[in-house]
Amino acid sequence: AQKITQTQPGMFVQEKEAVTLDCTYDTSDPSYGLFWYKQPSSGEMIFLIYQGSYDQQNATEGRYSLNFQKARKSANLVISASQLGDSAMYFCAMREGGTDKLIFGTGTRLQVFP
Amino acid sequence: DGGITQSPKYLFRKEGQNVTLSCEQNLNHDAMYWYRQDPGQGLRLIYYSQIVNDFQKGDIAEGYSVSREKKESFPLTVTSAQKNPTAFYLCASSIRGDNTEAFFGQGTRLTVV
Repeated sequence: AQKITQTQPGMFVQEKEAVTLDCTYDTSDPSYGLFWYKQPSSGEMIFLIYQGSYDQQNATEGRYSLNFQKARKSANLVISASQLGDSAMYFCAMREGGTDKLIFGTGTRLQVFP
Repeated sequence: DGGITQSPKYLFRKEGQNVTLSCEQNLNHDAMYWYRQDPGQGLRLIYYSQIVNDFQKGDIAEGYSVSREKKESFPLTVTSAQKNPTAFYLCASSIRGDNTEAFFGQGTRLTVV
């Protein structure tokens, strides 16, 4: 069955430091996509980065990079040079190519301190 | 501007009443989704639809119903059978069959009074 797991309920990081948010997944579909979203206290969902199951290279978008380890079924988000505005909930998500079913993990609350 | 519109932003309901949450998109997306989010929790999938006149149950469909009569619209009805309906509801849409990101509405906060 399709499953997403985020084991870190909360993380703290000092401004300008890097932080890694963990995500593991499980699926029997060989075609799938992995996503990370940010949710500030306002509640909106902000798309950050995407990794396809057949992509050979790790995805990067500005200060965000995705450490994709297919054999270990992990898709960790790395935020470099953290900023105070990065404080938010972060969700990992997966969509199976065959069904379009899109599910989310339980999230990690990131707090950046000066 | 293209996007997803959820209405209303805040909704109050008396116990025992059905209520319908609206979700409209003008992105020409085939796939649409409804999620429930409880305070400090993740998004749980209620229903999703890949195409007009077809939809699938998600992980927590009990007490909810949907319809997909038009490509642009995917309304969610919270029925009286839903025992704990107070939550934040998010609607999303995406291109079908392609692993591109889903776009979200601003959400509806439902409170049972």
